[in-house]
Amino acid sequence: QVRLEESGGGFVKPGGSLRLSCTVSGFTFGDYYMSWIRQAPGKGLEWIAYISSFSDIIYYADSVRGRFTVSRDNARNSLYLQMNSLRAEDTAMYFCARETEWLDKWGQGTLVTVSS
Amino acid sequence: QSVMTQTPSASGAPGQRVTISCSGSSSNIGSNHVYWYQQVPGTAPKVLIYRVDQRPSGVPDRFSGSKSGTSASLAISGLRSEDEADYYCAAWNGSLRGWVFGGGTKLTVL
Repeated sequence: QVRLEESGGGFVKPGGSLRLSCTVSGFTFGDYYMSWIRQAPGKGLEWIAYISSFSDIIYYADSVRGRFTVSRDNARNSLYLQMNSLRAEDTAMYFCARETEWLDKWGQGTLVTVSS
Repeated sequence: QSVMTQTPSASGAPGQRVTISCSGSSSNIGSNHVYWYQQVPGTAPKVLIYRVDQRPSGVPDRFSGSKSGTSASLAISGLRSEDEADYYCAAWNGSLRGWVFGGGTKLTVL
């Protein structure tokens, strides 16, 4: 069955970096666009990045543009989010999601905590 | 502050009908499909409604969606205790080139 699994979350100090991964199975990864969405504790959903099948179309939310970089390796069935210059307000659960016409399948998320 | 606005909370007794509204703009709801997600705390969101009023297989017909202009609604009839969750509307925003979500509505089944 379709499965998405995020990893790489953890505790980091402000200004630090972290790289998240999303490993998928159960479908042909290279056929799908992907997105990252985050959810701060007790808050709502915030889309942050979008990448096309061959990485030729990439969009970011204003809140992360210039600090975060989304990438993918279709041969490894993996999606990545490189997060630099982290701030306290980046503390959140980070989800990867598969795009059909909508965000149809989601992983369970990985928690990122930014604190001194 | 979310680009799309939802009432923060809603409630109803078992068996009742509740409606959750979502207000957007011409850049999102006004020009694109609307989607509704259900999130039980501690779990990943799950799509309930796609393309305004379509249900994925497995979603009961107690859930229905509609759209008018720059607003959309999710109706839940025959409320059940397992419907207690957070509900989010979502749409692609052409001017922002990204997905936008409503702030979420916490549904309580009394």
